[in-house]
Amino acid sequence: QKEVEQNSGPLSVPEGAIASLNCTYSDRVSQSFFWYRQYSGKSPELIMSIYSNGDKEDGRFTAQLNKASQYVSLLIRDSQPSDSATYLCAVTAGGTSYGKLTFGQGTILTVHP
Amino acid sequence: EAGVAQSPRYKIIEKRQSVAFWCNPISGHATLYWYQQILGQGPKLLIQFQNNGVVDDSQLPKDRFSAERLKGVDSTLKIQPAKLEDSAVYLCASSRNYEQYFGPGTRLTVT
Repeated sequence: QKEVEQNSGPLSVPEGAIASLNCTYSDRVSQSFFWYRQYSGKSPELIMSIYSNGDKEDGRFTAQLNKASQYVSLLIRDSQPSDSATYLCAVTAGGTSYGKLTFGQGTILTVHP
Repeated sequence: EAGVAQSPRYKIIEKRQSVAFWCNPISGHATLYWYQQILGQGPKLLIQFQNNGVVDDSQLPKDRFSAERLKGVDSTLKIQPAKLEDSAVYLCASSRNYEQYFGPGTRLTVT
């Protein structure tokens, strides 16, 4: 079982729609959760961090965390073609791992006009 | 605030040659990470420094990879000798807390 698993893509949505990206993790004591956006040929860019159960909103982005079910999701409202990228879910290990991040394999999102 | 700097941006070498990558983290960030990202996969941590001490190098292939962070600021990652499977993007990241910020990466091609 992969430590961090993301829903298989690619995901294609029309412009203006809501894109939903999901991620599950295996380490029950994970404490910090992140979403990175990576454009083709570029490095990952941090777009959301979430540390407690519930929703966190930032502009068109909403991160949702459910530690009991060990999943974290990212919703992108009013999707734009510029949102087309690979989205990486990352989770910190529990215990004394000093913030070590484990990444999922990424989900490719395409927003078509 | 300046971001994480890396050089070179691209490198092509033949197998069995050596190569070195350089990273300068965001000012004030005590923690520095080196990742390897193979096409189609998420980044994989190679080594993590806290100031100039190694916190985690469990996934670093120590027979060929080495890294150092002198004076707790800049860091270098070296591969010697390189293998074909080392072709990847090498990413440096830094953090002050748990949020990590990545540099532009070095794309390595081993032929």
